[in-house]
Amino acid sequence: ETGVTQTPRHLVMGMTNKKSLKCEQHLGHNAMYWYKQSAKKPLELMFVYNFKEQTENNSVPSRFSPECPNSSHLFLHLHTLQPEDSALYLCASSQEPHPGSYGAFFGQGTRLTVV
Amino acid sequence: DAKTTQPPSMDCAEGRAANLPCNHSTISGNEYVYWYRQIHSQGPQYIIHGLKNNETNEMASLIITEDRKSSTLILPHATLRDTAVYYCIVQPNKLVFGAGTILRVKS
Repeated sequence: ETGVTQTPRHLVMGMTNKKSLKCEQHLGHNAMYWYKQSAKKPLELMFVYNFKEQTENNSVPSRFSPECPNSSHLFLHLHTLQPEDSALYLCASSQEPHPGSYGAFFGQGTRLTVV
Repeated sequence: DAKTTQPPSMDCAEGRAANLPCNHSTISGNEYVYWYRQIHSQGPQYIIHGLKNNETNEMASLIITEDRKSSTLILPHATLRDTAVYYCIVQPNKLVFGAGTILRVKS
């Protein structure tokens, strides 16, 4: 248990579906992140939020839409995805600019399969 | 943002020390070196960090060269459960991960 909770853990969706991934942390962190990790590839940073404001969008397609209603919650809304979007989606939180002695905390991820 | 360079893979015998190098030659004075690891299909886990002094905790030791252009993560007695991908990150750096080093601990 890292203090960062992601739901659901597994998701199968069709290409025409709309779904959302949820992440929450109650660690008092001010920064939250979404990452994508495809099979046997490094983590790709998708979005960064700092104090609820988006500070990084790493050229992510518009079919991925993040939402950060407060510093504790982060969503990733998905619509009209492609099979190549199947991956492990990881959420993280940290205290910026210096994460301190515990670094960033990661959730267990959502394993997404697009069919 | 400072970039890091790590070897793609390393092997280590169980019970021996694993020494994982990282090059960060463009690091600036206020940037910390952080190490994380990712065990298969799990989220990355923080290991240790440092600025310029050597650091040790219950998981590992971090040796940073005097010019701060490189560092080494040391797992003093590697076990099979230490098999993972190890990432060296210079912070603050938007928490961007490179390819890391795949460490295989073998019995």
